Amino acid sequence: GAVVSQHPSWVICKSGTSVKIECRSLDFQATTMFWYRQFPKQSLMLMATSNEGSKATYEQGVEKDKFLINHASLTLSTLTVTSAHPEDSSFYICSASGGFETQYFGPGTRLLVL
Amino acid sequence: DQQVKQNSPSLSVQEGRISILNCDYTNSMFDYFLWYKKYPAEGPTFLISISSIKDKNEDGRFTVFLNKSAKHLSLHIVPSQPGDSAVYFCAAKRGGGADGLTFGKGTHLIIQP
Repeated sequence: GAVVSQHPSWVICKSGTSVKIECRSLDFQATTMFWYRQFPKQSLMLMATSNEGSKATYEQGVEKDKFLINHASLTLSTLTVTSAHPEDSSFYICSASGGFETQYFGPGTRLLVL
Repeated sequence: DQQVKQNSPSLSVQEGRISILNCDYTNSMFDYFLWYKKYPAEGPTFLISISSIKDKNEDGRFTVFLNKSAKHLSLHIVPSQPGDSAVYFCAAKRGGGADGLTFGKGTHLIIQP
């Protein structure tokens, strides 16, 4: 149980394009989903928290207009990196919580912006 | 400022012995703590957690100890196995379910045969 999938697993795009990443909870309903980012040899940093049907809450320093989050259902959240630039290249990971304390993570998406 | 600290970037342990990974935190609002195991280019895998109302939680080979007064927790793995080689992250959150996790920088555990 507690399986979270993420798609795509990796993406390469040109600077200026937008990239959408999907996060799905496969076997439970996720009341809250979280988006994290990890730069090489760094820790995971929380970007935003999203609850189904409401606007996401962004951490300080994360641009909400650049990182659009939609949590349309209890099993799906999407992160769209708009007008991506090379400095947005990173490892993006989502997690899902079914209302309990533990968060279960997806496998991550490697984004490379050329 | 780093609210969750893992001061050992790496740890090497012989197979069969005990691995002890340490974690310190500074935010007294944290009351739920988790350990995750992570391989490169993969998402973290949940291992074990502990609430601040407890000082110990055990699950198979994994035991987490919490010392609230010292703001310190540790993960014990015994006996250590080659498949335990990975990066281990300590994470903390405030209770209530809706908060994101604050992670340490991780400790790379290497189990030597």
